Amino acid sequence: EAGVVQSPRYKIIEKKQPVAFWCNPISGHNTLYWYRQNLGQGPELLIRYENEEAVDDSQLPKDRFSAERLKGVDSTLKIQPAELGDSAVYLCASSLISAGEGYTFGSGTRLTVV
Amino acid sequence: AQKVTQAQTEISVVEKEDVTLDCVYETRDTTYYLFWYKQPPSGELVFLIRRNSFDEQNEISGRYSWNFQKSTSSFNFTITASQVVDSAVYFCALRGGFSASGTYKYIFGTGTRLKVLA
Repeated sequence: EAGVVQSPRYKIIEKKQPVAFWCNPISGHNTLYWYRQNLGQGPELLIRYENEEAVDDSQLPKDRFSAERLKGVDSTLKIQPAELGDSAVYLCASSLISAGEGYTFGSGTRLTVV
Repeated sequence: AQKVTQAQTEISVVEKEDVTLDCVYETRDTTYYLFWYKQPPSGELVFLIRRNSFDEQNEISGRYSWNFQKSTSSFNFTITASQVVDSAVYFCALRGGFSASGTYKYIFGTGTRLKVLA
């Protein structure tokens, strides 16, 4: 079974440019999460989807970040415009239900804003 | 407020030594879940174990064992006879109960980097 697939693996952009990350969760997992992990820190939740509904986006900086999960399967996270402080690893995870089980994480996208 | 503290930033051991990674948590929820994840150099977080707040039984899985103690709000992780492949960053995480708005907090600690030397 394929795991959570993310692309691209690495991305380097100049500040003020837009960037998008893509995530394909495990088949059948209805809950999808986007996390941001700064260097030396644990992951921090940005947004959680139950199917196509964003049920928790309280930590998403909505002035520049947006996300969508059309059809309740794969998801895209966008930053526009990117700032230097956005440099981090963006992790996608999925789970079957959001009832306390462990998540399956993708390998992440390492974003460097220069 | 919820909080997960992993006081050990980095631990180095020699192969075959036992090592314990500490995790202390804070929550006011009566129902909560605790997790451990492993993050190898490849970057992918790998789920290791989940414990709910009503199950204080310790668990052993091969060389891994977990000690959950509600009295001290700790959920420690021990690797017996460590191997070089155990080298990674290990994260403890806490998931609280649902709030009135239907959301919950899933908090990760800052991680402990384990280096196992050959």
